[in-house]
Amino acid sequence: GAVVSQHPSRVICKSGTSVKIECRSLDFQATTMFWYRQFPKKSLMLMATSNEGSKATYEQGVEKDKFLINHASLTLSTLTVTSAHPEDSSFYICSARSLGSSSYEQYFGPGTRLTVT
Amino acid sequence: AQTVTQSQPEMSVQEAETVTLSCTYDTSESDYYLFWYKQPPSRQMILVIRQEAYKQQNATENRFSVNFQKAAKSFSLKISDSQLGDAAMYFCAYRSESGKIIFGKGTRLHILP
Repeated sequence: GAVVSQHPSRVICKSGTSVKIECRSLDFQATTMFWYRQFPKKSLMLMATSNEGSKATYEQGVEKDKFLINHASLTLSTLTVTSAHPEDSSFYICSARSLGSSSYEQYFGPGTRLTVT
Repeated sequence: AQTVTQSQPEMSVQEAETVTLSCTYDTSESDYYLFWYKQPPSRQMILVIRQEAYKQQNATENRFSVNFQKAAKSFSLKISDSQLGDAAMYFCAYRSESGKIIFGKGTRLHILP
C-alpha cells in the first residue's frame, strides 16, 4: 500500500530557531501534498496545499512567511517553521495524493511532534 | 464553505455491541467524497471507510458501515461487534472537488470490556 513518511517524528527546538519537517511518499509519486496541524485533543486543520513545482496555497490565517513549504520533487515536500515560538508547538501531519489521481484518497504520514522551548 | 460537524465529543460502547457515530456536513457541491478516519494513540490517521456522493448504496467494510443520507447531509458510521482495538478518535471528513479534506472535530470512542 501507499506509504508516507515524515522526518523527524519528534523535534525540540529553541524559540527563535527554524526547524524543517520532511514529508516523503515512499512508493508512489505525489503531485499534491497537504500539511495539517493538530493541537492536543483537537481536529486536523489544513494549513496549506503543496503542488510539485509550484507555490503552495495557504489557508486563511496561515502565515506563509512563517510556514515555508517546498515541494521540490514528486516524492518530497518540506515544511519549515521559521523563527519558532512556543505557540508553534503542535503535531504536524502531512498527506499525499498520488499522481494522475482520479483517486479520492490521501495517504497520511505518521506526524511530527514539534516542541518549541 | 464546507463544514463538517460531529456532535458527539465522546462515546462509550460495551465490547461486542454496536455503536453509531454521527456526522453532518454542509456543502453546495454536487460531487464529493466522505470519509471516516480513525486516529489511535499512535496518531497515525487510518482510513476506515469512504463514500462517493454519487453512489446511493451505503459503503460497508467488514464491521464498519455508513448510513449516507445525501439530502439530509448526514453520514453516520456504525461499528458492529465492537472490539477493544476500535478505541480511538474518529474523524468524519469531507473531500471537496478541489481535493481539500475538511475534518470534523472528532469523536473519542471508548470500548468497555
